[in-house]
Parts: sequence; structure tokens; C-alpha cells
Amino acid sequence: LAKTTQPVSMDSYEGQEVNITCSHNNIATNDYITWYQQFPSQGPRFIIQGYKTKVTNEVASLFIPADRKSSTLSLPRVSLSDTAVYYCLVGKIYNFNKFYFGSGTKLNVKP
Amino acid sequence: SAVISQKPSRDICQRGTSLTIQCQVDSQVTMMFWYRQQPGQSLTLIATANQGSEATYESGFVIDKFPISRPNLTFSTLTVSNMSPEDSSIYLCSVDPGQSNTGELFFGEGSRLTVL
Repeated sequence: LAKTTQPVSMDSYEGQEVNITCSHNNIATNDYITWYQQFPSQGPRFIIQGYKTKVTNEVASLFIPADRKSSTLSLPRVSLSDTAVYYCLVGKIYNFNKFYFGSGTKLNVKP
Repeated sequence: SAVISQKPSRDICQRGTSLTIQCQVDSQVTMMFWYRQQPGQSLTLIATANQGSEATYESGFVIDKFPISRPNLTFSTLTVSNMSPEDSSIYLCSVDPGQSNTGELFFGEGSRLTVL
């Protein structure tokens, strides 16, 4: 089971790009990297997922180096509404695999 | 995608009582997951519920304390038994509809329990 390590919290200002890095040194060959976002009083929401290199969607980008021992979630031009906890998960995505959440990063976006 | 409804959304309970949380999904799903989120903490997986079989519990969680039912492919319940203040948490139901190749989980809004 790959353990993930993230910063406990980060501060940013509106309009800035935010990069949150996750360390997963013992990631397995078949593991994917998935990021979730959680607002207060809500369940987590899927943001992005990748296996290697770079993935981009309408919300974020995910950068994964060749050794896959870390990954970086990039949020372009954040707004106050991006204030949330961001979780990095590592695991297999087939056969209804169970997912374990790490400690997460509390992102606080200031005006 | 999947829309998940949980009941109750919140409740205040007395020590020693039990409470059953319901989770209803708008589509048939094979696997349902129950998580606990203690105040200010991350999510902890309690158990995995597969229709037609007993739930599989994670280390630290036992069936006597958290009995789970899964009577059909759209519904599950989690009971928190003999509650103590340490059980005060948000309990979240989650599913993987299996409609994409990402293993994406969909979550309910959670059930916030306060035990006095």
C-alpha cells in the first residue's frame, strides 16, 4: 500500500498558480495517482488522475516525473472558491479497488 | 456519475445508543464504501460493502460496532452501535459506478453525528 505525504497546509492569493506536491516513494507499477478536492461539509470530489508525465483537464494539471515517486497538482489562477482540502491518493483503479486517503493539504486562498 | 443521498444529514445522539445511516444511490453499483471523517481529520475507510455478501472491514473496525447491510445494488446502511463521544464524526458513503476507467469515487454529503 503506497503511503502518500503532502504538506499540511498552503496559503495563496487569488489569481496565483498553486502547486501542491505529493510524495509516494513506494508507488507500485500498476498504481495510478488520483487527486480529490473536499469543501467543508461536502464529500470529496474527483479532480484529476494520471499514471505518468502530464495530464490536463479543465480544472487542473497533474505532473508526474519519470520515477513516479512524486506528483504535483497544479491549479491555475486560483480563486477564493478553490479554498479546500486536496487529497492525493495512490492505488490501482480496476476491480473496484479500495482507496485510502492521506492527510491532505488545506489550501487557503486569500483575496 | 452517481448521485448519492445520505440520511440523516446530521444527528445528535446520546451515549450508549445506536444510529443507522442510510445511503441511497441513483444507479446500481457493485461496491459501496463507508468512510469516517473525524473532526479536522482525513477520511478513514471503515468497510467495503458488496451486494449479497458480508461487508469487509478495515483494521480497527469490527462488525459488532459498525454493522453494515447491503440488501440491493442501490442501497446500504451503516449502524454505529453503542455510541460514545469518540464516535462523533462525519460518516460518508461512497461508490465507484465503474462507468469510467478511472476508478473515480462519488461521495454522499455525509452524515454528521454528535454523541453526547
